[in-house]
Amino acid sequence: DGGITQSPKYLFRKEGQNVTLSCEQNLNHDAMYWYRQDPGQGLRLIYYSQIVNDFQKGDIAEGYSVSREKKESFPLTVTSAQKNPTAFYLCASSRDNRGGQPQHFGDGTRLSIL
Amino acid sequence: AQKVTQAQTEISVVEKEDVTLDCVYETRDTTYYLFWYKQPPSGELVFLIRRNSFDEQNEISGRYSWNFQKSTSSFNFTITASQVVDSAVYFCALLEANRDDKIIFGKGTRLHILP
Repeated sequence: DGGITQSPKYLFRKEGQNVTLSCEQNLNHDAMYWYRQDPGQGLRLIYYSQIVNDFQKGDIAEGYSVSREKKESFPLTVTSAQKNPTAFYLCASSRDNRGGQPQHFGDGTRLSIL
Repeated sequence: AQKVTQAQTEISVVEKEDVTLDCVYETRDTTYYLFWYKQPPSGELVFLIRRNSFDEQNEISGRYSWNFQKSTSSFNFTITASQVVDSAVYFCALLEANRDDKIIFGKGTRLHILP
């Protein structure tokens, strides 16, 4: 079945450590997105990519990095510069970024600090 | 500036009651899209509906219905004869046509359906 796969489901980070969250889609979607969700805060956009080898910062990009080397993959690295990384991270994709296409979401990764 | 307000943080109703989730949006664009998503306890967001700004027709899908009123900038969601499986967080979202890259989400309404 087509969909978006995020892994791992749970992730723990030590102080000063970089961790990478995986996001893979087999929907043949051009656009991909990373969101952070904190309790009672809704979703905030971290990074997005409209095409392979291109990506843009969202509203809260500081302390995060991404790459888009393949259409189906959009990994997110939470760097040690992100001082408050504990949150629920959601990856999404859409067919393209025109015409109000709905975004489809993965199951999320819950990141905690050890 | 674009904004989505879901004033109801949390709602509890008894099973089989009807419930309406409110959504008010702000935009200066004439062309935009509105969405509703459901987030069950498992965490993933499930797309429910999309409306564009030129289509104010209300929509019904089974027990779900949506009321879009441009005059009041509202896009409310009603669940009829609620069921325990409807318990979730529901998000309303706005996408402006000239900002195709960013969907603005409301903070969500947590809905509890009590058996």
